[in-house]
Amino acid sequence: QVQLVQSGAEVKKPGSSVKVSCKASGGTFSSYAISWVRQAPGQGLEWMGRIIPILGIANYAQKFQGRVTITADKSTSTAYMELSSLRSEDTAVYYCARDKTTVTTSNTRSYYYYYMDVWGKGTTVTVSS
Amino acid sequence: DIQMTQSPSSLSASVGDRVTITCRASQSISSYLNWYQQKPGKAPKLLIYAASSLQSGVPSRFSGSGSGTDFTLTISSLQPEDFATYYCQQSYTTGAFTFGPGTKVDIK
Repeated sequence: QVQLVQSGAEVKKPGSSVKVSCKASGGTFSSYAISWVRQAPGQGLEWMGRIIPILGIANYAQKFQGRVTITADKSTSTAYMELSSLRSEDTAVYYCARDKTTVTTSNTRSYYYYYMDVWGKGTTVTVSS
Repeated sequence: DIQMTQSPSSLSASVGDRVTITCRASQSISSYLNWYQQKPGKAPKLLIYAASSLQSGVPSRFSGSGSGTDFTLTISSLQPEDFATYYCQQSYTTGAFTFGPGTKVDIK
């Protein structure tokens, strides 16, 4: 059974960067994508991006393009999310989640359904001067 | 990006009530719609994927329906542990998932 263990809380200065880790245990890390989702205090969920470790390919939400980098180390089954040029609005809980895929086939066409079925407990990042 | 809206933003209900939450996409997303439950201080939990498929281990009182732009999450008989915030999320665009703003369900 896959578990995602995230790194500890961080306090950062405005303008600096933060790198949060997410280590998978109990499953085949490279077989799935890993998404990163954040939640500011009292706010909703915001998808930031995802990576497919086996391919090393990452996609990012337009809002975070140029400021976020998601990487993965297959040898340690760990994904990373680095956010740069931090500002107070980046204060949030950052979650990693496994993107599971279910494939259905109909009339020779395949449909790929992605959903986040396993989540880390979250990492609190506080940006304050 | 595809925008997701939810209604209502909050609701008050009693144990045993039937609760319905609606999610709407800004364009057709077929059945690429997931539902999550989140309790305060906890990570979200997957309830429904592909619009109507119940995640393993989730009680059968939860159900999802819809396709295209309009979707519904129904709790057939609200239980005390169901008081939480519910989010829809589209996975139509692989590189640009988006969540709805959430619906908070609290005790009447």
